Amino acid sequence: KAGVTQTPRYLIKTRGQQVTLSCSPISGHRSVSWYQQTPGQGLQFLFEYFSETQRNKGNFPGRFSGRQFSNSRSEMNVSTLELGDSALYLCASTPGDSNEKLFFGSGTQLSVL
Amino acid sequence: AQSVAQPEDQVNVAEGNPLTVKCTYSVSGNPYLFWYVQYPNRGLQFLLKYITGDNLVKGSYGFEAEFNKSQTSFHLKKPSALVSDSALYFCAVRADTGNQFYFGTGTSLTVIP
Repeated sequence: KAGVTQTPRYLIKTRGQQVTLSCSPISGHRSVSWYQQTPGQGLQFLFEYFSETQRNKGNFPGRFSGRQFSNSRSEMNVSTLELGDSALYLCASTPGDSNEKLFFGSGTQLSVL
Repeated sequence: AQSVAQPEDQVNVAEGNPLTVKCTYSVSGNPYLFWYVQYPNRGLQFLLKYITGDNLVKGSYGFEAEFNKSQTSFHLKKPSALVSDSALYFCAVRADTGNQFYFGTGTSLTVIP
């Protein structure tokens, strides 16, 4: 079974631009969640989608948005990029049950210049 | 409010010695507890989880963790550290009544040859 796939692996943008990150979950997994990882802050939860519906949302500004498609693939969008948005963005999938572990992708490293 | 604390940013241990990485949590309801490991430029990999039952949980690569309800702790342990165990370790909690994972800020483990 293929793992969680995130594209692109690396991304360089300038302030004010927008960016879209993609995540393909493990086949059969219906829940996809997104995290922002920065040194010293650990993993900050962005949002979680389950069967195309946003089920949970973290404390991030409205510039951060996401969606999930009928095939469970998910995209995350960040508009009006700021320097502080530079981070590793991780996607994780689970079948959807609360006691199941997260399966993580390798992440997208976003650098905002 | 749910939260996870990893009080040590950095843990150093000599190869062959036992290691402990600390984690305490706060959650409403019964906790589902997880440990993940992250190697450089990689996503997080699952190590072990506690859902219910025996308080001592055994996981991958010889790691184990002990759930202590009274101290709300879930410390990660290994009897004999290897240089290859050097990595970033994350503790996570999820309430049995919810769907969101909460992660600690991570502990960087260095095993010295």
